[in-house]
Amino acid sequence: DTEVTQTPKHLVMGMTNKKSLKCEQHMGHRAMYWYKQKAKKPPELMFVYSYEKLSINESVPSRFSPECPNSSLLNLHLHALQPEDSALYLCASSQGGQEGTGELFFGEGSRLTVL
Amino acid sequence: GNSVTQMEGPVTLSEEAFLTINCTYTATGYPSLFWYVQYPGEGLQLLLKATKADDKGSNKGFEATYRKETTSFHLEKGSVQVSDSAVYFCALSDQTAGSYQLTFGKGTKLSVIP
Repeated sequence: DTEVTQTPKHLVMGMTNKKSLKCEQHMGHRAMYWYKQKAKKPPELMFVYSYEKLSINESVPSRFSPECPNSSLLNLHLHALQPEDSALYLCASSQGGQEGTGELFFGEGSRLTVL
Repeated sequence: GNSVTQMEGPVTLSEEAFLTINCTYTATGYPSLFWYVQYPGEGLQLLLKATKADDKGSNKGFEATYRKETTSFHLEKGSVQVSDSAVYFCALSDQTAGSYQLTFGKGTKLSVIP
């Protein structure tokens, strides 16, 4: 199984809503990532979890709250978002540092629209 | 810091034409290099990779060689198909604190017309 599964594929929410994006992998990877991708741009790193601990937070606003319940799951909780937060949110996983080749495996993404 | 520069396009080719997308990088140490492809409405898929100098990555007719002396990783394909229409990202991977940090180029949109 070499898949990273993201749900939902599409999400529309108002600025006062609370919602969550979910990501799951069963490759035994110990690092998981959230990226944000705007149209016609490369992905931008938001958060990294390494061995279930938050290791990198790229100065993301607090209205985005990541959670890693276990080594296979990664969530991104959304609250009080702004229309400019509309984007494709990509989850990725990789082997832990020193264990692999540096390859990240990406999911299909969750396309978020904030009204 | 690390950086990746790739030709930005868009690139439009006729079916069966030869494709080159240039990619150069700046990095400390010896990163792994990747080409990722993103088809319309989808996530990123790994197209090919190379982990050390002079390695050649290849997949689906695409090739790229890790050239340390020119710090380049150019993507080539001898005969493109309509189904190759997508955005292609060159990236390098650097190990950091139990995970990997990907640095992406800006992406090159390829359109192949019949």
